[in-house]
Amino acid sequence: EPEVTQTPSHQVTQMGQEVILRCVPISNHLYFYWYRQILGQKVEFLVSFYNNEISEKSEIFDDQFSVERPDGSNFTLKIRSTKLEDSAMYFCASTPPGGGYNEQFFGPGTRLTVL
Amino acid sequence: RKEVEQDPGPFNVPEGATVAFNCTYSNSASQSFFWYRQDCRKEPKLLMSVYSSGNEDGRFTAQLNRASQYISLLIRDSKLSDSATYLCVVNFGGSQGNLIFGKGTKLSVKP
Repeated sequence: EPEVTQTPSHQVTQMGQEVILRCVPISNHLYFYWYRQILGQKVEFLVSFYNNEISEKSEIFDDQFSVERPDGSNFTLKIRSTKLEDSAMYFCASTPPGGGYNEQFFGPGTRLTVL
Repeated sequence: RKEVEQDPGPFNVPEGATVAFNCTYSNSASQSFFWYRQDCRKEPKLLMSVYSSGNEDGRFTAQLNRASQYISLLIRDSKLSDSATYLCVVNFGGSQGNLIFGKGTKLSVKP
């Protein structure tokens, strides 16, 4: 069964450093998302991406964040200058044609720890 | 404001029990509704979509009341493997479908 994959599974970084989180969505999916979950809190929407551009972004997704689909398979989330409060689990998700009315398939997540 | 509220629990029940979870959402124009399950430190996984007419999948029954902006999940004959956090999830509109999650209700099924 196809699945969303994410790398790395755990990333530790120093405050102020840039990080890139990588995702490979399911191959025939068209809509891509990033969510985050701070430990003990709810899953929060960050950004949606369709047709090679951002569709919608939340208040969390400020200028420090960017997304890219550089090669038709990878979907990346970049945090330019990490803060302590960026420590969280970051989930990538994708959904097939039909978009958000359908199930979103989540990757296993990248645990980001900012020291 | 787009919000999804759930009773956080925990619900501690014996095997074989029936347990019900409730959820309310803030926007009457909401389009799609889901229950996801999340195991500790894992990704959310779809348990079932919730349809206006209500729907059942084995031991799981989901109901939607649009007038009251209320969603429920009923689990019959609980199994140990049902222990997890159950997330009420709403797509507040649009095909882009960014999901708004409730904080989740933790279920612990004991032998």
